[in-house]
Parts: sequence; C-alpha cells; structure tokens
Amino acid sequence: EAGVTQFPSHSVIEKGQTVTLRCDPISGHDNLYWYRRVMGKEIKFLLHFVKESKQDESGMPNNRFLAERTGGTYSTLKVQPAELEDSGVYFCASSQAAKFRGFEAFFGQGTRLTVV
Amino acid sequence: AQSVTQLGSHVSVSEGALVLLRCNYSSSVPPYLFWYVQYPNQGLQLLLKYTTGATLVKGINGFEAEFKKSETSFHLTKPSAHMSDAAEYFCAVSGGAQKLVFGQGTRLTINP
Repeated sequence: EAGVTQFPSHSVIEKGQTVTLRCDPISGHDNLYWYRRVMGKEIKFLLHFVKESKQDESGMPNNRFLAERTGGTYSTLKVQPAELEDSGVYFCASSQAAKFRGFEAFFGQGTRLTVV
Repeated sequence: AQSVTQLGSHVSVSEGALVLLRCNYSSSVPPYLFWYVQYPNQGLQLLLKYTTGATLVKGINGFEAEFKKSETSFHLTKPSAHMSDAAEYFCAVSGGAQKLVFGQGTRLTINP
C-alpha cells in the first residue's frame, strides 16, 4: 500500500512568486491534514479536510494560503504571493475516519519550501 | 488548549546506553499522546501512542513510554541505544479536535 506522497520534495522560489504543493493521501483515508515546520520551531497544524470539506482551518496563517481538496482525493496548498517567512517544511498527513481522538495519522516526507 | 514541551532539543548518548527523551504536556481534556520519529530524508513515523488503559505503552524498535497523569509527562525510553536510533523525535498531544499539537522536537545522536 502506497503511503502519503508529497511533491515536490523541494522548492526554491523568489519572494512574490506562487508555489503549489501537492499531497496524495493513502487511498481510502477521508481525513487529510496539512502541517508546517518553520526552521527550528515546532510542527504546527494548518488545516484538516474531511473528504472535500474543510473541517478546521484554524491554523492557516493568512489569506495568502489556499488549500483545496477537489473530489476528496489529493490536496493542494497554494501560497500566493510567497513571503520569506513562508519558508519551512510542509507536511501532509492522512488518517481513516475516526470515532475517537486516538487516530493514527500517516505523514508524508514533506516539501521543503525555501523563499529567497 | 493543549501544549507540549520537550526538554532538550539535542540529546546525545552512547551506543548501548539508556535513551530517555522527556515530554511534558498540558491539556484541558484527557490527553491522547503520541511519539513520532523522523529519520533523515523521511517522513514522520508513529513510534507509539497512549489513548486509554495501560499507562505503559510499548512501541516499535524497542521504545516505550509511560503516561504519568500526576506529572503530566509522557517520557520516551529505550534500554539500549542503537546507531540506527539517530533521528529527530517529536512528542504530540491530541486535544478535543482531530489535530496534533507537537513539541519542538529532540534530535538524538548516538555515539559509537
């Protein structure tokens, strides 16, 4: 069974440009999450999809970030326009439908974004 | 609200020595607690989790952790370190919603 796949693995863009990150969750997982780790800091929650609906987007930093999950399969996270402080590693995770909080989230390898 | 504090951003032990990575949490609801590991150039992998029941939890690769409610701790241990244990370890708590709150991570180095 394939795991959570993210691409690109690395992206270097100039300030003001647009970048789109993609995440393919494990097949059959209704829940999809985006997290981000800024250099030296903790991994922070960005948002949570249940199928194609945004369940919780409380962690999205500002309106330069747009996440979509059309059809409830893969998801994209677009940053437009990118700023220097957006640099970091963006993780995607997925989990099966859960009836309790002890769910296991499976993480991808992350996309390392560098804004110069 | 939930928060996690990992004591020590870097821990170094000798091969064969005890590994102890410290994690303290704060949670307004009964916590579910997790330890994840990230090996170089890989994603986060779940080591173990505590939900309910037995407070001593065993995970993969010989790791275990004990939930101590009175101390609000969930420290990770392994009796004998291997070179392959070198990685970054993250403690996380799940609160009322389906999202994880992570600590800052502890980078474990194993000395030969």
